[in-house]
This record gives sequence, structure tokens and C-alpha cells, in this order.
Amino acid sequence: EAGVAQSPRYKIIEKRQSVAFWCNPISGHATLYWYQQILGQGPKLLIQFQNNGVVDDSQLPKDRFSAERLKGVDSTLKIQPAKLEDSAVYLCASSPPVGGRGGTQYFGPGTRLLVL
Amino acid sequence: ELKVEQNPLFLSMQEGKNYTIYCNYSTTSDRLYWYRQDPGKSLESLFVLLSNGAVKQEGRLMASLDTKARLSTLHITAAVHDLSATYFCAVDEGWKGRDDKIIFGKGTRLHILP
Repeated sequence: EAGVAQSPRYKIIEKRQSVAFWCNPISGHATLYWYQQILGQGPKLLIQFQNNGVVDDSQLPKDRFSAERLKGVDSTLKIQPAKLEDSAVYLCASSPPVGGRGGTQYFGPGTRLLVL
Repeated sequence: ELKVEQNPLFLSMQEGKNYTIYCNYSTTSDRLYWYRQDPGKSLESLFVLLSNGAVKQEGRLMASLDTKARLSTLHITAAVHDLSATYFCAVDEGWKGRDDKIIFGKGTRLHILP
């Protein structure tokens, strides 16, 4: 079974530039999560989708971050404009359908972002 | 608001020794996860604990859950160098009719000395 795919794996940009990350979850997983992991810290949930609807985006800095999940499959996370403090690893995860509440999240390899 | 605290945050130990990592959380929850993260890598699921008194073991790692005390432990038996990693616990806020929001602890960075 293919895992969660993310691209790019690394990105270096200057502050005030824009950047986008892509995630393809495990086939059949209804729930998709985007996390931000700053070096030395645990992952912080940015946004959670159930199919193509947003379940939780309370910690998403909406003035600069946006995310969408078209057709309930792939998702993109965008930062515009980026700030120095956005330097982090952005992790995408997916979990099985709601009815099968087992809850384990399967994580992708992450995108490491460096803002200069 | 659910808070998850792990301790210790850093642990250096000798091979062959036993040790325990603790995960405390602030509100009721009925499931807890342990993940492992190697440097520069993503998170790998280790255990899902679904009920009070649950105990799971895989190799030299054993996890347990006490929902009344709001405490989970990850016990390492006879540590080996390959277990060096950062270990995260994550607590499920609970079913709210949609899906489950999971809050992560800050992680315990484990370094096992040969």
C-alpha cells in the first residue's frame, strides 16, 4: 500500500515570497491533516479536512496560510507571504474513514521549508 | 483545552538499562498514541491505546494507559542503540461527531549510549 506522498521535500524561499506544498493521502483515507513542526517541537495541527470539508482550522494563520482539498483527495497548503518564523517541516497525514474510528494517522515524509 | 505534557524531554541512557517516559494529559480522553521520529524523518506509529488499562508491547517497548490518572507510560526494557529517536505521545480530544483532533506532546528525545 502506497503511503502519504508529499512534494516538494525541500524548499528555500525569501521572506515575503509565496510557497505551496502538495499532499496525496493514502487511498480511501477520508481525513487529511496538515501539521507544522518547528525544530525541537511536536507537530502542531494547522488544518484538518474530512473529505473536502474543513473540520478544524483554528490554528491556521489565515492571514497568510490557506489550504484546500479538491475532490476530497489531494490537498495543497499555501503560504503567502512567508515570514521567517514559518521555517519548519510541514507534515501531511491521513487517517481512515470516520466510521472506522481507529484514529492512527499515517504521516508523509514532510516538506522542509527554510525562509531566509 | 487539552494539554499534553511529556517528561522527560531529554533522556540519555546506557544500553541495557530500563527507563520510562511519561505522558500526562489534562482532560478526559479515550485514546492515546505513541509515535517515533528519527532525525530528519517523519513520524512512525508505534502504539494506539484505546481503553483504560490497555497495555501493548512491541519488542523492547511497552506502552500503557491509565485514563483515570490521565497518564500513559512508554517503558523501554534493556535499551539498545537502535531505539535512539524522539518519542511523541498524542492524545485524542474525543469524538465530536466529526473526527478526532489529536494534540501532540513536545516529544522525548532519547539517546542511548553504547
